[in-house]
Amino acid sequence: EPEVTQTPSHQVTQMGQEVILRCVPISNHLYFYWYRQILGQKVEFLVSFYNNEISEKSEIFDDQFSVERPDGSNFTLKIRSTKLEDSAMYFCASSGGRTNTEAFFGQGTRLTVV
Amino acid sequence: EDQVTQSPEALRLQEGESSSLNCSYTVSGLRGLFWYRQDPGKGPEFLFTLYSAGEEKEKERLKATLTKKESFLHITAPKPEDSATYLCAALDTDKLIFGTGTRLQVFP
Repeated sequence: EPEVTQTPSHQVTQMGQEVILRCVPISNHLYFYWYRQILGQKVEFLVSFYNNEISEKSEIFDDQFSVERPDGSNFTLKIRSTKLEDSAMYFCASSGGRTNTEAFFGQGTRLTVV
Repeated sequence: EDQVTQSPEALRLQEGESSSLNCSYTVSGLRGLFWYRQDPGKGPEFLFTLYSAGEEKEKERLKATLTKKESFLHITAPKPEDSATYLCAALDTDKLIFGTGTRLQVFP
């Protein structure tokens, strides 16, 4: 069964450092997303990406965040200068398209900023 | 403001004791209503999408229903392996708006 794959599963970084979280979406999907979940809180939308550009982003997704699809299979989230409050589970998701909206999630990357 | 609210926050059931989880939503551009299961430390696992009021979908012991203002996830004769957090999410344009979830524990 196709699945969304995320690496690494756990990342520890020092405050102020840059991190890149990586995702391989389901191969024939066209829409890609990043969400985050702070411990004990709800899953929050960060950004959606379609046709090689951001289609929507939340207030959380400020200038410190960026996304990229560097090749035909990977989708990355970069945080330029991490803050303590960026500690969370980050989930990548993908869906087939406008008429196939089921979004499938990866297992997440737990980011710990120290 | 678009919002998704789930109740109860937590639910303890005896194995075989059926119940329902509620999800109410106020989303202006609703395109679909999603249910996910989330185990601790894992990503949300897709269960159902409902697109229009009156629609129902079933999978094993789970049945999801949708009205114009809320959705229900009915669990019939649950087993301990059904223990998880169940998340409801509304699809608004290109993003999912999640509720805080219902933490379900099923005891043998």
